[in-house]
Amino acid sequence: AQSVTQPDIHITVSEGASLELRCNYSYGATPYLFWYVQSPGQGLQLLLKYFSGDTLVQGIKGFEAEFKRSQSSFNLRKPSVHWSDAAEYFCAVVIDSWGKLQFGAGTQVVVTP
Amino acid sequence: NAGVTQTPKFQVLKTGQSMTLQCAQDMNHNSMYWYRQDPGMGLRLIYYSASEGTTDKGEVPNGYNVSRLNKREFSLRLESAAPSQTSVYFCASKGGYNSPLHFGNGTRLTVT
Repeated sequence: AQSVTQPDIHITVSEGASLELRCNYSYGATPYLFWYVQSPGQGLQLLLKYFSGDTLVQGIKGFEAEFKRSQSSFNLRKPSVHWSDAAEYFCAVVIDSWGKLQFGAGTQVVVTP
Repeated sequence: NAGVTQTPKFQVLKTGQSMTLQCAQDMNHNSMYWYRQDPGMGLRLIYYSASEGTTDKGEVPNGYNVSRLNKREFSLRLESAAPSQTSVYFCASKGGYNSPLHFGNGTRLTVT
């Protein structure tokens, strides 16, 4: 069965430092992958998506993600985090022909001064 | 542009009470979804509707029913609420197969 794993439940990072969030997927064909961000009390907002082509994908808010088929990974990165990046981040993969998404358990990011 | 609108934002129920969560989208999307979010478990799909007139069970459908009233509206009903249904509920919609999900702001439900 298709699945997506986010190994890190919680990450603390200093403001201005770089950030990398890990996502691993299990899927036989070329996956359709997404990263979402959820601020407290809000719904999920799309950061970026990968369908095909260039394996380095640019998103909003200065985020990027790299698709690595050999490692079954789609890690999210930001070179320099801002306090406003404190949120929960979810990786997701399309799991069937209807386009349903399977979400990872999420990674909570805390930004310290 | 409102996107996906959910009501209510908050609700407290006693065990055994019933209620309906409402969801409407104005993006002319075919597919609509109900998820629940619990700490450490990410989002789990309760029910979805691939198109107007169709509904199907997701990962955790027990205790819930849905109605796709028209293309815009997709409601979630709890017939007899249980404490295990305490959660944050999100409605979402999407256009095509590889389109992203658009989420509402959620309903925080507490069952005592």
